[in-house]
Amino acid sequence: DIQMTQSPSSLSASVGDRVTITCRASQSISSYLNWYQQKPGKAPKLLIYAASSLQSGVPSRFSGSGSGTDFTLTISSLQPEDFATYYCQQSYSTLLFTFGPGTKVDIK
Amino acid sequence: EVQLLESGGGLVQPGGSLRLSCAASGFTFSSYAMSWVRQAPGKGLEWVSAISGSGGSTYYADSVKGRFTISRDNSKNTLYLQMNSLRAEDTAVYYCAKIGQLEPTLGLYYYYYMDVWGKGTTVTVSS
Repeated sequence: DIQMTQSPSSLSASVGDRVTITCRASQSISSYLNWYQQKPGKAPKLLIYAASSLQSGVPSRFSGSGSGTDFTLTISSLQPEDFATYYCQQSYSTLLFTFGPGTKVDIK
Repeated sequence: EVQLLESGGGLVQPGGSLRLSCAASGFTFSSYAMSWVRQAPGKGLEWVSAISGSGGSTYYADSVKGRFTISRDNSKNTLYLQMNSLRAEDTAVYYCAKIGQLEPTLGLYYYYYMDVWGKGTTVTVSS
């Protein structure tokens, strides 16, 4: 089974900061990596798919990169509405998915 | 508007059964794979199960294999999750999600991602 890890598990940042979250897969998954944002009490929202493709309607301050085992989600200038938990997810094994443990972004 | 609406959650005793439903609208339901994802209180997201658009292929997390069954009725635009032999650790909010796909320019596999989510239904397993 493919395992996913994320770092950090949480971070504190200020509005306007550049934020980077890292996701690592236990084996190479090429670019079969998605990123989601979840706010408390709400369903997750797709941000990035195929490692670097921005989902329609998602602000361009969000970007994804990486391939193989190491991936990053970057928020170029953190906005108040971006305080949330972010999850990576692998989709290498067709319709067998695995989520990372999540990274909580809160206000410094 | 693309929408997913889960129902069927509730309180059930350990060892009991429950069937969740997810009503889909706003897209051609039979053209898309679908999935269930759960989130235990205060915990992260856990993928549970997925099913192909035709219903001919199903996939399960090890934690639910042999206890849960995913199915769909394309004539009713509805996804189901039959949950048997429920345990306390199955307590969670259960979300259904539409699986989008992108054909790869290189490589063998389609890119799959969960692009539409329902609001979730809560399952509590407790005596």
